[in-house]
Amino acid sequence: GAGVSQTPSNKVTEKGKYVELRCDPISGHTALYWYRQSLGQGPEFLIYFQGTGAADDSGLPNDRFFAVRPEGSVSTLKIQRTERGDSAVYLCASSLPGGVHEQFFGPGTRLTVL
Amino acid sequence: LAKTTQPISMDSYEGQEVNITCSHNNIATNDYITWYQQFPSQGPRFIIQGYKTKVTNEVASLFIPADRKSSTLSLPRVSLSDTAVYYCLVGDASRRALTFGSGTRLQVQP
Repeated sequence: GAGVSQTPSNKVTEKGKYVELRCDPISGHTALYWYRQSLGQGPEFLIYFQGTGAADDSGLPNDRFFAVRPEGSVSTLKIQRTERGDSAVYLCASSLPGGVHEQFFGPGTRLTVL
Repeated sequence: LAKTTQPISMDSYEGQEVNITCSHNNIATNDYITWYQQFPSQGPRFIIQGYKTKVTNEVASLFIPADRKSSTLSLPRVSLSDTAVYYCLVGDASRRALTFGSGTRLQVQP
């Protein structure tokens, strides 16, 4: 079946601009996660949705970052006033509501802020 | 959160068995041990998970000693396609956020 998809695969923007990154989870997965991965590092947790609500947003670095999941399926990660330090691969994952730690990751969106 | 320590890199040859050990001295009673694999330009992929003793699936085995302060991921007869970064994660089910370290870069040579 279809896995987690993310669009765009690559995004280049200029410092100060606004960007939106989209995630389509696996059908039936009510849990959705966003992570950020810098070069040479492991993924870093940003936010977790259970259904439409953000159950844990403790990983969002500051108020420039925001994510929504209005219908409990597709999610959008929004970054305002981008900074060069925001450059990274943004990964989305989804999972069933139960289970322990088996998350299915998408290929990521590579964001480059010039 | 339990901190994990694993080798930065390992080299192997095709057909060999590879064992990657992860130490997690302050693992909590409710914590599970999970391993993920990541290829370049892809998201991580779940490999195996365990709580104690030994777990085996079609991809790997996970050995966990009685004190649970370490764990070993065993990959039998590796091939070039097993070249990837392997992450050891420790955490309990109540916290859904995964905490990744820097992982172990495995390079398999012909």
